[in-house]
Amino acid sequence: GAVVSQHPSWVICKSGTSVKIECRSLDFQATTMFWYRQFPKQSLMLMATSNEGSKATYEQGVEKDKFLINHASLTLSTLTVTSAHPEDSSFYICSARESGAFRYGYTFGSGTRLTVV
Amino acid sequence: RKEVEQDPGPFNVPEGATVAFNCTYSNSASQSFFWYRQDCRKEPKLLMSVYSSGNEDGRFTAQLNRASQYISLLIRDSKLSDSATYLCVVRLPTDKLIFGTGTRLQVFP
Repeated sequence: GAVVSQHPSWVICKSGTSVKIECRSLDFQATTMFWYRQFPKQSLMLMATSNEGSKATYEQGVEKDKFLINHASLTLSTLTVTSAHPEDSSFYICSARESGAFRYGYTFGSGTRLTVV
Repeated sequence: RKEVEQDPGPFNVPEGATVAFNCTYSNSASQSFFWYRQDCRKEPKLLMSVYSSGNEDGRFTAQLNRASQYISLLIRDSKLSDSATYLCVVRLPTDKLIFGTGTRLQVFP
């Protein structure tokens, strides 16, 4: 089945630094990838939709200058959390769907647990 | 009103029990429907898609009622390994997935 690889699985960084998270579709091409954030005991909230070769679409309330998304190829999207603050500590998850496979759901990466100290 | 609503639980059931989860969604234009399972501190994993005709996968049965905008999941003969959070998910015409907050299931011996 479709596999999405996400790295790193966890990261601890100092306040004010930037962190890059990678999301790769390993055995399929994904023109669209999605980035979610999940705080403890809450549901996944969509942050942005990453489109290959074009600008990402951000959800309301998500700062595009803080969460930089790059989708340079059909198999790779990156999320960079810039100038991270403790309130950015969360579980970040990417997902992708094989083109045309509407009925098969979306495959998620294993997530990145970010802790900003 | 939340776009996808679920009873957060927890549902504490003994092994072998049958348990049912319900979910309602607000956007009548929703196109696809899924149940995902999420273990603690892990990513969601697709359990099954949900079709109007109802579908079954082993001990799991899912049902969709478009008129009522209602989705259900039935788990029969619960196992300890079924303990997890079950997420009701809908896909909008924009291709976005909207997640419910999840229903937590704890199966005890």
